[in-house]
Order: sequence, then C-alpha cells, then structure tokens
Amino acid sequence: NAGVTQTPKFQVLKTGQSMTLQCAQDMNHNSMYWYRQDPGMGLRLIYYSASEGTTDKGEVPNGYNVSRLNKREFSLRLESAAPSQTSVYFCASSEYQREAFFGQGTRLTVV
Amino acid sequence: AQSVTQLGSHVSVSEGALVLLRCNYSSSVPPYLFWYVQYPNQGLQLLLKYTSAATLVKGINGFEAEFKKSETSFHLTKPSAHMSDAAEYFCAVAPYSSASKIIFGSGTRLSIRP
Repeated sequence: NAGVTQTPKFQVLKTGQSMTLQCAQDMNHNSMYWYRQDPGMGLRLIYYSASEGTTDKGEVPNGYNVSRLNKREFSLRLESAAPSQTSVYFCASSEYQREAFFGQGTRLTVV
Repeated sequence: AQSVTQLGSHVSVSEGALVLLRCNYSSSVPPYLFWYVQYPNQGLQLLLKYTSAATLVKGINGFEAEFKKSETSFHLTKPSAHMSDAAEYFCAVAPYSSASKIIFGSGTRLSIRP
C-alpha cells in the first residue's frame, strides 16, 4: 500500500539549474497538492489541483510550475533554481476536502 | 479566505502533564479541521479530524480536540504527555467545497521534559 510516492528524496542543484519533482498517488484521489516546509513557517501551499485537468496557484507559486499529468501524477518543476527555493517539498493528495495524505518529502538544496 | 493560526511556535511540558496546543481558524462557513503530527525527518500523519459529526473529536495516541464555533477554535489536548509525543503539530483547515484547498498553520513544536 504505497499511498503517496515522491521522487527524488534528496537533491542538490546549482543556481539556475532546472528539475522536476515527481509525485504519484494510488488512492484514486481527485485533489493533489505541493507544499514547501521551511523552519518557523509551517507548510505553505505552492500549487494545488482540485481535479484532473485543473491547477491553481497557492500562497507561494512564484518560480514554480506544475503539471497534473493524469489523476495519479502531479509534478512540480523549478525552471531556474534559486537558493531561496532550498526547502523540504511535500506532495499530498486528498479526496476533495477530506484529510490529506502526505509523501515522505524531498529535501532540496540549491547552492 | 480561510486561514488558521496556531498560538505558540514552541510548547514545553513535563512528562505526565497536560498537553494543550492552540488553533484558531478563520472561515466564512464552518470548515473541516484537522490536526497532523510530524516526527523528525518524516512526512505528516493525521492525528484527528472534525467533520461536523461531533464537536469533541478523539484521535490517535490519546489526543483529542474540541470544536468551538463561538470561539472559532479547535485546540488539541492530551491529559498526560509521554516522551514519544515530542514532535511538530500542525492544525489545518478546509471549507466545505468540492474545489477547496487545505491550508496549514505554522506549526507548534512540542517538547517533553523528563
């Protein structure tokens, strides 16, 4: 029973490099989310997708893009990484407004 | 717009003492409310949730929370703290809407003193 799977678990990027964080869920949930977690700031919503084919900006979308590839997969792309994007990134899914299930996180460092 | 405020970024209690973590929400209609726990280097897991069925909600590991509409609060309590309760706790809110998003508070780190 995998739940929400994120890859990679760790990543180091140089400033200006691009990368895509992958997320997949096997619970047939409609809603998926990307959050970032920084010390003292809790979880901040980057983007979310209420259902397949739709995406919306959250609190901190600048510097990121997302793709809801299908119902299972929701990817987060950093086009030109900056040190301010050093963070732990969490993907989550839920059935609309019911509880969210989280992946184990991706620790990203931008140098 | 919905929001959630957690009072106190760090709470420290003695083992065996009462745990009280505060959460207040702002929403135009009564929302769904959640408490999550995060242990070091792990993802978040659900402790309990309020979905309007009952105002006092019991969760895992002996935690419970009471929904108080008049105070717009959803505080988390546990009668007797255990060393294993040391973690970060997040309150979250989502309104009754099919296109809603779940918004989290800034978190409260709970420390347990021997």
